Amino acid sequence: AQSVTQLGSHVSVSEGALVLLRCNYSSSVPPYLFWYVQYPNQGLQLLLKYTTGATLVKGINGFEAEFKKSETSFHLTKPSAHMSDAAEYFCAVHQGAQKLVFGQGTRLTINP
Amino acid sequence: DAGVTQSPTHLIKTRGQQVTLRCSPKSGHDTVSWYQQALGQGPQFIFQYYEEEERQRGNFPDRFSGHQFPNYSSELNVNALLLGDSALYLCASSLTADISYEQYFGPGTRLTVT
Repeated sequence: AQSVTQLGSHVSVSEGALVLLRCNYSSSVPPYLFWYVQYPNQGLQLLLKYTTGATLVKGINGFEAEFKKSETSFHLTKPSAHMSDAAEYFCAVHQGAQKLVFGQGTRLTINP
Repeated sequence: DAGVTQSPTHLIKTRGQQVTLRCSPKSGHDTVSWYQQALGQGPQFIFQYYEEEERQRGNFPDRFSGHQFPNYSSELNVNALLLGDSALYLCASSLTADISYEQYFGPGTRLTVT
């Protein structure tokens, strides 16, 4: 079965600094990978997804992620953090028939 | 185009009671999945409905049941509520024919069991 591990339950960066949120997956088949963002008291919003093809995926709000098969990783990055990026971020892997398996989440805090 | 909607927004129930949560999928979607998100955790898959049938189920007891209607909307029912059922319940809709497997999430229903 597929699984996801997010390294670091809480990440804190300064405004304007690089954001790096780590995600490693386990999958017995070529994975479909997703990053979602959750703002307080809201549902999940898709940031980006990897299905096939280009391993560097660009998403909304300036985020991007790179699929590295050799490292079984799908880390999320943003060159310059903004105060509005403060939220909970979830990495997920597709596990058959449109079921998603999520990581535990990483809370991103932006310091002014 | 309305996205995924859920009702109610918040709900407070007592242990032992029963609750029904509702979800309307994004227009054009035919599949509805339900997830439970406990405080500080990632969402956990409960079950999925397609063509009015439960297509797959996660590791949840039979107290959790659901239904999908001909218009693709769905209900989640939980019987004999336990304190541990307190969570945010998320509904996600998708199109079975979509090979990217993208799911669209609703805002959730916050259930508190006292």
